[in-house]
Amino acid sequence: QKEVEQDPGPLSVPEGAIVSLNCTYSNSAFQYFMWYRQYSRKGPELLMYTYSSGNKEDGRFTAQVDKSSKYISLFIRDSQPSDSATYLCAMSQYNDYKLSFGAGTTVTVRA
Amino acid sequence: DAGVIQSPRHEVTEMGQEVTLRCKPISGHNSLFWYRQTMMRGLELLIYFNNNVPIDDSGMPEDRFSAKMPNASFSTLKIQPSEPRDSAVYFCASSLVQGEAFFGQGTRLTVV
Repeated sequence: QKEVEQDPGPLSVPEGAIVSLNCTYSNSAFQYFMWYRQYSRKGPELLMYTYSSGNKEDGRFTAQVDKSSKYISLFIRDSQPSDSATYLCAMSQYNDYKLSFGAGTTVTVRA
Repeated sequence: DAGVIQSPRHEVTEMGQEVTLRCKPISGHNSLFWYRQTMMRGLELLIYFNNNVPIDDSGMPEDRFSAKMPNASFSTLKIQPSEPRDSAVYFCASSLVQGEAFFGQGTRLTVV
């Protein structure tokens, strides 16, 4: 079993729809939870960063962490074609800079 | 800041040849990471340095891979000898805050 599980998709939605992405994990020591976005032939870029449990909102993006269920989510509201990318979840333990990544979910937003 | 700079962007080499990938991290960042990305295995951490010291190299696949960080502004990842199964995109990333890694554009390596 992988430490971080993420459905690779692909996921195709119409413009304006809500995109829902999620990851599950097995290591209860994870404390930091991130979402990275990767456009084709580019490096991943940090999108959202959350410490421990709870919700975080940034514009059209909302990240949720449920440590009791070992489950994290990313929601994209009013999705745009420019949101078409691969979204990777990542996690790390306290005081450990090493990141464990999910496989990434490829999202296409249709105009 | 120009971000993390990697070179070369593309590398095609023959099996058995030595390959050296280069990385310049963001100035002031104290952690540097080398990742490999393939369709089959996703993004895998190969090694990471903190303050130029290798902290965890458990992801380095075998002795053919080696990494150095002689100073805070430069790191190399070397593969010798290279094999076709090493074909992948290699990313360098740097960080100052835990979790906030900044990635370079990657080096697409093809070993024929």
